[in-house]
Amino acid sequence: AQSVTQLGSHVSVSEGALVLLRCNYSSSVPPYLFWYVQYPNQGLQLLLKYTSAATLVKGINGFEAEFKKSETSFHLTKPSAHMSDAAEYFCAVSDRGPGTYKYIFGTGTRLKVLA
Amino acid sequence: GAGVSQSPSNKVTEKGKDVELRCDPISGHTALYWYRQSLGQGLEFLIYFQGNSAPDKSGLPSDRFSAERTGGSVSTLTIQRTQQEDSAVYLCASSLGPGSYEQYFGPGTRLTVT
Repeated sequence: AQSVTQLGSHVSVSEGALVLLRCNYSSSVPPYLFWYVQYPNQGLQLLLKYTSAATLVKGINGFEAEFKKSETSFHLTKPSAHMSDAAEYFCAVSDRGPGTYKYIFGTGTRLKVLA
Repeated sequence: GAGVSQSPSNKVTEKGKDVELRCDPISGHTALYWYRQSLGQGLEFLIYFQGNSAPDKSGLPSDRFSAERTGGSVSTLTIQRTQQEDSAVYLCASSLGPGSYEQYFGPGTRLTVT
């Protein structure tokens, strides 16, 4: 069965510093992986997705993620944090079992950006 | 274009009452999903619709929970005899179909059971 682990429920970075949010997955089939962002009292917004094409995926708002099969990882990065990046971030894997395409989510990482 | 919409945005109900939560997916999206987000459990899958059929109901936590979808569009999630542990944010998502894995989420319905 597929699963996702996000290391660090809370991450703090200074404005302008590198953002690194970690995600490791477990999947019995080639995975489809996603990063979503959730701002307070809002739904989830897709940042980027990996669906077996290029291993380095670029998303919105300057975020990118690299799929590393050997490490079963899909870490999210951004070179320079902005105050508006403060939010909760979720990594998800698509559970492509028979008759389903549901997402399995990680527990989320809350990003705090310090001025 | 219009995104996924959900109503109501907030619902407060008394323990033991029934509630209905509505989801309007993006027009043309054949796949629809319900998830639940709570402090203790994170984001949990509830049910998946393809068209009006639900091939995966494995996430429904008890027989008090049911959902239907009509006309390949609107979906309703019904919780009967609500309990305090049902308090959570209920999120709906839709996607173009089983061949498209990107899900678009609505803003959610916050359910509080008192």
